[in-house]
Amino acid sequence: GQQVMQIPQYQHVQEGEDFTTYCNSSTTLSNIQWYKQRPGGHPVFLIQLVKSGEVKKQKRLTFQFGEAKKNSSLHITATQTTDVGTYFCINAGNNRKLIWGLGTSLAVNP
Amino acid sequence: DSGVTQTPKHLITATGQRVTLRCSPRSGDLSVYWYQQSLDQGLQFLIQYYNGEERAKGNILERFSAQQFPDLHSELNLSSLELGDSALYFCASSAQGSGTEAFFGQGTRLTVV
Repeated sequence: GQQVMQIPQYQHVQEGEDFTTYCNSSTTLSNIQWYKQRPGGHPVFLIQLVKSGEVKKQKRLTFQFGEAKKNSSLHITATQTTDVGTYFCINAGNNRKLIWGLGTSLAVNP
Repeated sequence: DSGVTQTPKHLITATGQRVTLRCSPRSGDLSVYWYQQSLDQGLQFLIQYYNGEERAKGNILERFSAQQFPDLHSELNLSSLELGDSALYFCASSAQGSGTEAFFGQGTRLTVV
């Protein structure tokens, strides 16, 4: 299956700072899903991107799918302590072997 | 509440033993996925079932097996347990196959001593 590489693996920010995590693939992806897992919790679906160049917003979160559909990003504006957790992106197209990376772990200092 | 129920929440067992983890998917979801998450590891996909049939297989050990029953609940059987099998096991369900949103259960924390 096609695995997406996610960077950075860890990010530590001060509350109020912005945060961005990136997913990159060497091959074209049919779609990307983003999940968030809080410490001690289970992954929770955030969004799915399907179209080339697609941009979706959820309050302070902005998700983008690259024009070539080989990369995606999640940007959080003015982080809050509630944003703490690990963010995963996965290639969730017709590929039946769902391969998850290590995600990006975000820590926010109050 | 995701609507996916996993039991038990915690399990402590000895090496060499066999355990069964149970998952009830969200009402109406046909796909069930099993994942293993060890400390500091991402989610390792184990296996997927769709409407009772195995659909995809990941890095599942031969000592592990799973099935999905006619009522769509699923069980993951882990046998000849080793210390390294200690992990959080998640079940997720989705309406269709991959490509649709997956809903995760709270997980079963397995400790092998």
